[in-house]
Amino acid sequence: NAGVTQTPKFQVLKTGQSMTLQCAQDMNHNSMYWYRQDPGMGLRLIYYSASEGTTDKGEVPNGYNVSRLNKREFSLRLESAAPSQTSVYFCASNPEGLSTDTQYFGPGTRLTVL
Amino acid sequence: GNSVTQMEGPVTLSEEAFLTINCTYTATGYPSLFWYVQYPGEGLQLLLKATKADDKGSNKGFEATYRKETTSFHLEKGSVQVSDSAVYFCALTQNTGGFKTIFGAGTRLFVKA
Repeated sequence: NAGVTQTPKFQVLKTGQSMTLQCAQDMNHNSMYWYRQDPGMGLRLIYYSASEGTTDKGEVPNGYNVSRLNKREFSLRLESAAPSQTSVYFCASNPEGLSTDTQYFGPGTRLTVL
Repeated sequence: GNSVTQMEGPVTLSEEAFLTINCTYTATGYPSLFWYVQYPGEGLQLLLKATKADDKGSNKGFEATYRKETTSFHLEKGSVQVSDSAVYFCALTQNTGGFKTIFGAGTRLFVKA
């Protein structure tokens, strides 16, 4: 049982390049989330997927797109990377998306945009 | 809007000292409250949670009580260990009108032997 896995662990991009961050969970959870973590700001929600086939914007969605490929996988795409998107990105999941549910986090992807 | 405010760090303590990390929140309705911990190079993991007023969450010697009257969820531990060195995040979650989760900025704790 691997929990939540993310790839890649590290990535360096040039301004304007695109990339997709991959996330998968093996806990049969319905809800999945993408966050970014910036120094002194805690984690901020980018997008979430309450269930397979649905996605919704979080607090900071601009510059990102997501795809809920199936129940296990939820990807985050940067179409044209900007230096302001330099951050650590975390994927998370929880069983039903209830406010009482614990979120389970992946190990993170450290992205640098030059 | 909703917000979570944590005491700024870093906090440096000697082993076996008492720990308090303050957390206050603003929210409409009745959020659930969480403390997550992040060890170096890892993702966040749940430390404890409380889902309604006056509930006490506890785990590994850490405790926090959901105080609606003071809108607080302070984290405490009676005797810290070197292995408790990490970053601690207070968070609230609501699912009214869409999923909302707000994290505090995090408090880094260093425990010296």
